[in-house]
Amino acid sequence: DIQMTQSPSSLSASVGDRVTITCRASQSISSYLNWYQQKPGKAPKLLIYAASSLQSGVPSRFSGSGSGTDFTLTISSLQPEDFATYYCQQSYSTLPITFGQGTRLEIK
Amino acid sequence: QVQLVQSGAEVKKPGASVKVSCKASGYTFTSYGISWVRQAPGQGLEWMGWISAYNGNTNYAQKLQGRVTMTTDTSTSTAYMELRSLRSDDTAVYYCARERGVVAIPTTWYYFDYWGQGTLVTVSS
Repeated sequence: DIQMTQSPSSLSASVGDRVTITCRASQSISSYLNWYQQKPGKAPKLLIYAASSLQSGVPSRFSGSGSGTDFTLTISSLQPEDFATYYCQQSYSTLPITFGQGTRLEIK
Repeated sequence: QVQLVQSGAEVKKPGASVKVSCKASGYTFTSYGISWVRQAPGQGLEWMGWISAYNGNTNYAQKLQGRVTMTTDTSTSTAYMELRSLRSDDTAVYYCARERGVVAIPTTWYYFDYWGQGTLVTVSS
């Protein structure tokens, strides 16, 4: 199985901050990397697919980059509604599909 | 608009089975696959398996092989996930998610673009 490791596991930041979350794969996954946002009690929401493609309707302050084993999700200027948990997910190997353990973004 | 509406919360005893439904609307059901993802309380996301709504082909996570069955009913645009021999560590919120594939020659990017609202399954004696 491809292991996905996110860092940090939790992060405190303020409105207006620039935030970067990292995801590392245990082997090369090209650009088969997606990012999701999940708020408490809600289903995950797709933000970024194919490492850097912004899903329709997602604000442009979200961006993704990387390929191979190292990826980042950047929020350029945090808004109050961005405080949530973020997950990366690889779709390079579909048996099984795997997620990172999540990064909880909290208000400082 | 695309919607995935799941069945309601369930409480089951250890050893029992549960069947969760996921009714799709707003798109051609047979044009997409459905994955099931679960989330134990306070934990991360775990992929359980995938079914093609086109031909019923399935892929299951190895740890669930033999206990899980995913099916679809194309006449009602509904996907089902049945989990048997329930244990306490199966307590989780279960989500269905539509898998979309975007062709970008020479590859296809796959991701989950719509999710159900989740179904809480509690396993307790």
